Amino acid sequence: GIQVEQSPPDLILQEGANSTLRCNFSDSVNNLQWFHQNPWGQLINLFYIPSGTKQNGRLSATTVATERYSLLYISSSQTTDSGVYFCAVYSGGGADGLTFGKGTHLIIQP
Amino acid sequence: DSGVTQTPKHLITATGQRVTLRCSPRSGDLSVYWYQQSLDQGLQFLIQYYNGEERAKGNILERFSAQQFPDLHSELNLSSLELGDSALYFCASSVGQGKGAYGYTFGSGTRLTVV
Repeated sequence: GIQVEQSPPDLILQEGANSTLRCNFSDSVNNLQWFHQNPWGQLINLFYIPSGTKQNGRLSATTVATERYSLLYISSSQTTDSGVYFCAVYSGGGADGLTFGKGTHLIIQP
Repeated sequence: DSGVTQTPKHLITATGQRVTLRCSPRSGDLSVYWYQQSLDQGLQFLIQYYNGEERAKGNILERFSAQQFPDLHSELNLSSLELGDSALYFCASSVGQGKGAYGYTFGSGTRLTVV
């Protein structure tokens, strides 16, 4: 099956810093999403971005499907951005679930 | 509130027992998915239903089964439980399915502890 690799696995930053999280995938995809799992365990959908660039406030994402990677940018980090960020893809031809990467654990220190 | 409701939030049970987890999808979503999150395996897709019909199976054990009812709520049944089944079980729903599954929304999860 498709492989999803995320980097870095861990990231510790000071409040106000910017960060870039990367997701590489081993095969072509037609559905890619980014999620944030907060410290209470809730998974929140950030972006549906199979290709192109999207922005939502301090967060933006870019997917270059032809080169099999996606990037999530977080600007002016806040402590509430802490948690685990997951990239998830769908590559199958029929109905199927998402394949998740192992995530990037982000800690924003005040 | 994400709009996806899962009950119960916590469940503690003994090995060999059977439990049922319940999920109500977000209003209007026809696709329901079940995922398992554990420390060693990460987030894994278990099974998907679309408008009452099973559409895809992932890494779901034979001891586990699920169904989706006419009102679109879904139940995940876990039987002959083992210590290794302890995990966080998520339900999610989406508009559309497959490559068109956008608006993916997760419930708050059921934390299952098998003792």
